[in-house]
Amino acid sequence: LAKTTQPISMDSYEGQEVNITCSHNNIATNDYITWYQQFPSQGPRFIIQGYKTKVTNEVASLFIPADRKSSTLSLPRVSLSDTAVYYCLVGVSVDSNYQLIWGAGTKLIIKP
Amino acid sequence: DGGITQSPKYLFRKEGQNVTLSCEQNLNHDAMYWYRQDPGQGLRLIYYSQIVNDFQKGDIAEGYSVSREKKESFPLTVTSAQKNPTAFYLCASSELQRPTGELFFGEGSRLTVL
Repeated sequence: LAKTTQPISMDSYEGQEVNITCSHNNIATNDYITWYQQFPSQGPRFIIQGYKTKVTNEVASLFIPADRKSSTLSLPRVSLSDTAVYYCLVGVSVDSNYQLIWGAGTKLIIKP
Repeated sequence: DGGITQSPKYLFRKEGQNVTLSCEQNLNHDAMYWYRQDPGQGLRLIYYSQIVNDFQKGDIAEGYSVSREKKESFPLTVTSAQKNPTAFYLCASSELQRPTGELFFGEGSRLTVL
């Protein structure tokens, strides 16, 4: 059964670095790993995407080990406004069928 | 501005009625998707389409129907056969379905059955 696994919730404090890990054992060979942020009653918003090693943009970094069976989203110096649900998304090939598999989401709560 | 527009934002339905949720995109994307989200839960795929006049069932297609007559439009009908339709519905689009490109989401439509 293809699935992705991520922690249900995490707490942290303003100014800290937060790392959220997603495991995805069945990721398709040529597919990307993508992370999204969602606020209540809104659609998810793209944060970062990567294929291997490390990717960094203005809001986050994404670390992907060589076997690509997991990935870690890193949010530097979080603020209260980073309180949201974070999802990982990967493409998976199962019995020649390609599927997009979403993690169940990690609810991140940032405290002052 | 380019993006995805869902309407209506809020919708109330009586039991036994069909309702149609609109999704329009002006991003020239080939792939479009409908997801359902229940309170505190993740996203579950209802239907997706990779090209005009073609679509595939997702994980929870029962009680729903879609059409893709135009590239920019992918309406979702919640039929009376859907036993528990109260949920938050999200439409998304991407350039390609494989490999996974960035998905652009609408603001969602919240359906409540009275």
